Amino acid sequence: DAGVIQSPRHEVTEMGQEVTLRCKPISGHNSLFWYRQTMMRGLELLIYFNNNVPIDDSGMPEDRFSAKMPNASFSTLKIQPSEPRDSAVYFCASSLRQGANGGYTFGSGTRLTVV
Amino acid sequence: GQQVMQIPQYQHVQEGEDFTTYCNSSTTLSNIQWYKQRPGGHPVFLIQLVKSGEVKKQKRLTFQFGEAKKNSSLHITATQTTDVGTYFCAGALSSNDYKLSFGAGTTVTVRA
Repeated sequence: DAGVIQSPRHEVTEMGQEVTLRCKPISGHNSLFWYRQTMMRGLELLIYFNNNVPIDDSGMPEDRFSAKMPNASFSTLKIQPSEPRDSAVYFCASSLRQGANGGYTFGSGTRLTVV
Repeated sequence: GQQVMQIPQYQHVQEGEDFTTYCNSSTTLSNIQWYKQRPGGHPVFLIQLVKSGEVKKQKRLTFQFGEAKKNSSLHITATQTTDVGTYFCAGALSSNDYKLSFGAGTTVTVRA
């Protein structure tokens, strides 16, 4: 199993540009999460999908952030327009079960730098 | 809202020594999970505790869930350089609760 695959690993972009982060969850996992990690705020849940349906997006910072999951094997997180304060490591995680039971498998993350 | 606090924030350990990191929740948890993140890496699931007073061991790591299911601890014996990283606890209010509340983590450095 290749695990959760994220791309790109690193992204440097200018303020105002659109950024798209990609995630391929583990096959068979029906829960997908997007997290953001910063030194100041730690790990923050941005959005949770179950069976490709967004269940909770209350953690999405503002309208500049959007996420989609068009099928069971692909999800995107888009920031438009990007701002320097969006600089962080963005993790995608997937889980076999619907709830928090059993642990999450995290991808390697995308380190985003907005200059 | 639910908060999970971890102490200490940093732990500097001499190689070969033992140490413990603690996790406390303001509310009763359904389960608690522990993750390890190596420098520059991603969180890796270590273990889940579900039962009150549960104790689980993984080699030199001992995980414990409190009787009231509000606190947990991770004890590492004979620390090695491979133990370097940040250890996070994460709690869930119910087995169906997808929202894991992550602690801020304990960052461990090891002196050889």
